[in-house]
Amino acid sequence: GAVVSQHPSRVICKSGTSVKIECRSLDFQATTMFWYRQFPKQSLMLMATSNEGSKATYEQGVEKDKFLINHASLTLSTLTVTSAHPEDSSFYICSARTASGNTGELFFGEGSRLTVL
Amino acid sequence: SQELEQSPQSLIVQEGKNLTINCTSSKTLYGLYWYKQKYGEGLIFLMMLQKGGEEKSHEKITAKLDEKKQQSSLHITASQPSHAGIYLCGADRRGSYIPTFGRGTSLIVHP
Repeated sequence: GAVVSQHPSRVICKSGTSVKIECRSLDFQATTMFWYRQFPKQSLMLMATSNEGSKATYEQGVEKDKFLINHASLTLSTLTVTSAHPEDSSFYICSARTASGNTGELFFGEGSRLTVL
Repeated sequence: SQELEQSPQSLIVQEGKNLTINCTSSKTLYGLYWYKQKYGEGLIFLMMLQKGGEEKSHEKITAKLDEKKQQSSLHITASQPSHAGIYLCGADRRGSYIPTFGRGTSLIVHP
């Protein structure tokens, strides 16, 4: 089946540094990918919709200068947490559909746990 | 935005028991997904329902979307410890193909 891969699965960084998380669709092309954030024992909070070749669409309350999203190819979207602070520590997870619209299955990456010291 | 309410929030059952998790929306659902997640890991796709009255099964898990397409239920028959995890229902935000999710139901199955 279709696979979405995230890297790294875990990252620890110092406050003030930037961290990049990659999301790849391994055997299909994804014009749209979604980035979520999840706090312990809570649901997935949609952060932004990543569109290949154009700017990402951010959800209300999500700082686009803080969470930079780049979707440069049909198989790769990246989320960069800039000038990370301890409150940015969270589980970040991406997803992608195997087809346009909502006809395709929505697959998720394994998630990336960010810890900011 | 699409608000999805899941119930119960958590569930503890004895192995072998049946259980049901519900997902309710105040608006018509267009594309309802069920996923399972172990905390700190990615989501595993279970099923997608699109038509009113649709029902799908996979092994011991059955999901159904009501005729009005505002409520879905996930039923597990003869639960096993391997069923433990967080079950999330998701749906596309009205007027778009952007998936959003309920708060999840945490399931524990005691052997």
